[in-house]
Amino acid sequence: QITLRESGPTLVKPTQTLTLTCNFSGFSLNTDGVGVAWIRQPPGKALEWLALIFWDDDKRYRPSLKNRLTITQGTSANQVVLTMTNVDPVDTATYFCAHKRGTEMDFWGQGTLVTVSS
Amino acid sequence: YVLTQPPSVSVAPGKTARLTCGGNNVGRKSVHWYQQKSGQAPVLVISYISDRPSGIPERFSGSSSGNTATLTISGVEAGDEADYYCQVWESGSELPVIFGGGTKLTVL
Repeated sequence: QITLRESGPTLVKPTQTLTLTCNFSGFSLNTDGVGVAWIRQPPGKALEWLALIFWDDDKRYRPSLKNRLTITQGTSANQVVLTMTNVDPVDTATYFCAHKRGTEMDFWGQGTLVTVSS
Repeated sequence: YVLTQPPSVSVAPGKTARLTCGGNNVGRKSVHWYQQKSGQAPVLVISYISDRPSGIPERFSGSSSGNTATLTISGVEAGDEADYYCQVWESGSELPVIFGGGTKLTVL
């Protein structure tokens, strides 16, 4: 059974760096074709894909945020970390991590709400 | 690449809801659909245009042709009220994962 869980701060000040961790179980990031994606959703708005890390350590970023995002494998084999620098109130959102099987996200974490405010 | 979804669709219980997702030649792409109930994470309900993941009721079906993909929900129930998002994968693009803007399905 695949599960994912996001963790990180609930409140971040503008200009600070946000670090979110996705802890997962039930799959290996070493399996061909597998990936872990980060997607966010501002309050009342649509889903927005942010970043992806693939089984072969290839990485993709949303072009408009590419300079601020870094996705990496965590300290354990079952972790993926997303870092976002220089946060702004517009980055206030629920952040989800999800398992990418083929071209779809078939399992999602519950999400974590991050508020950017001074 | 842009996916366009109507902001809202309303349907009476027991009727059929058809939610559309428009995009240039979307009929040639693998379209996935997600259901997101209020305060919850999205759930994959249709993958690769018309495949139902395990546990998704047969009432949910998908199709695609030309510039429109459609999620059809037959015999709509109150519990189907949710936001629905379509998604495609743009291979070779700088923006590989694209979501539509979502449709709010209201069960009257």
